[in-house]
Amino acid sequence: AQRVTQPEKLLSVFKGAPVELKCNYSYSGSPELFWYVQYSRQRLQLLLRHISRESIKGFTADLNKGETSFHLKKPFAQEEDSAMYYCALLRGGGNKLTFGTGTQLKVEL
Amino acid sequence: GAVVSQHPSWVICKSGTSVKIECRSLDFQATTMFWYRQFPKQSLMLMATSNEGSKATYEQGVEKDKFLINHASLTLSTLTVTSAHPEDSSFYICSAPERGIETQYFGPGTRLLVL
Repeated sequence: AQRVTQPEKLLSVFKGAPVELKCNYSYSGSPELFWYVQYSRQRLQLLLRHISRESIKGFTADLNKGETSFHLKKPFAQEEDSAMYYCALLRGGGNKLTFGTGTQLKVEL
Repeated sequence: GAVVSQHPSWVICKSGTSVKIECRSLDFQATTMFWYRQFPKQSLMLMATSNEGSKATYEQGVEKDKFLINHASLTLSTLTVTSAHPEDSSFYICSAPERGIETQYFGPGTRLLVL
């Protein structure tokens, strides 16, 4: 069965500090992983996906199949990064997503 | 970008009544839509997949007679919570992938409170 684990419910960092939001997964097939973000009072939106290997808003995430991880990183946190971040795994067939429990990122001044 | 809307944004109803929630893709067609449920401070749990022109498929543990799904057109899916009870109170979110694209677009959610 597929599972996505985000061990931290809340991560608090100071502005300008590096950020790493952890995500581990278990999946028997070839994983496709995503990070979704939900800003206060807004809908869930895609931040980035591993197959595109791009940097969005300064965030990057590398799929590490050996460690079954897909951690989200940003070298210098900004106040506007404060939001809820969800790691998600696309299950094979049917476009279904399995979400982690989410990590609330709080960037303090 | 593509937009998914939900209506209503919130609803309060009495126990025993049925509530219908609409999910619309505004500027694209969606043969598939997904319905999620989110409890406070918890993750999104997929309830069912809505398929245009055919029956919805439900995740394990989700009562199909309780949560009726109808995908009436390529831009509209409805979720009806039948005979609602307080334990059905939750935040319901739909999503739709744009045809041919993996990215899913999420609706803003509907908050249901059953008294």
